[in-house]
Amino acid sequence: EVQLVESGGGLVQPGGSLRLSCAASGFTVSNNYMGWVRQAPGKGLEWVSVIYSGGNTYYADSVKGRFTISRHNSKNTLYLQMNSLRAEDTAVYYCAAASGGGGLFDYWGQGTLVTVSS
Amino acid sequence: DIQMTQSPSSLSASVGDRVTITCRASQGISNYFAWYQQKPGKAPKLLIYAASTLQSGVPSRFSGSGSGTDFTLTISSLQPEDVATYYCQKYNSAPPLTFGGGTKVEIK
Repeated sequence: EVQLVESGGGLVQPGGSLRLSCAASGFTVSNNYMGWVRQAPGKGLEWVSVIYSGGNTYYADSVKGRFTISRHNSKNTLYLQMNSLRAEDTAVYYCAAASGGGGLFDYWGQGTLVTVSS
Repeated sequence: DIQMTQSPSSLSASVGDRVTITCRASQGISNYFAWYQQKPGKAPKLLIYAASTLQSGVPSRFSGSGSGTDFTLTISSLQPEDVATYYCQKYNSAPPLTFGGGTKVEIK
């Protein structure tokens, strides 16, 4: 059974940093297309970033230059390093996996809440 | 970038009703199109991919159709457990992976 478990969310001040983790089981992070999707309170889904099995990374314009997606193969874990955080980054962040590639997310974590506030 | 426009943004229907949600892409996306269901407080769940293929385990009352720019999600007989927000998404190898704005489905 595939499980994705996010951690690392919390309260951070504007301008601060946070690193989210997504530990996978039953699924190999390095062999698959993985991504982060966020949802601001009461709002819809917003794609944030993806990393291909080959290592290519892509970012939404709203986070480009501030967020970095990466993975640790031996820990089978996906990360999202978030710097220069803004109030508008406040959201539940979901880790998602596309076992068939192409951004079709068939596995999702439970989400972790990031609150950016002073 | 391709924009995805869903309608309606919300709807209320009775148990047993046929419900239809539409999504329009600003450019043709062939059938690289998916629907997700998100129940309150839960993560999204993949319902339909390739515009019309049901994900394993999804009840057959759900169906999808369309190609190019116009897509439809139909619930043939609305059930109480279908209360959720439904999102469309275009997917293929080229980000951004745009989601529609969502349609909140409630029971009348």
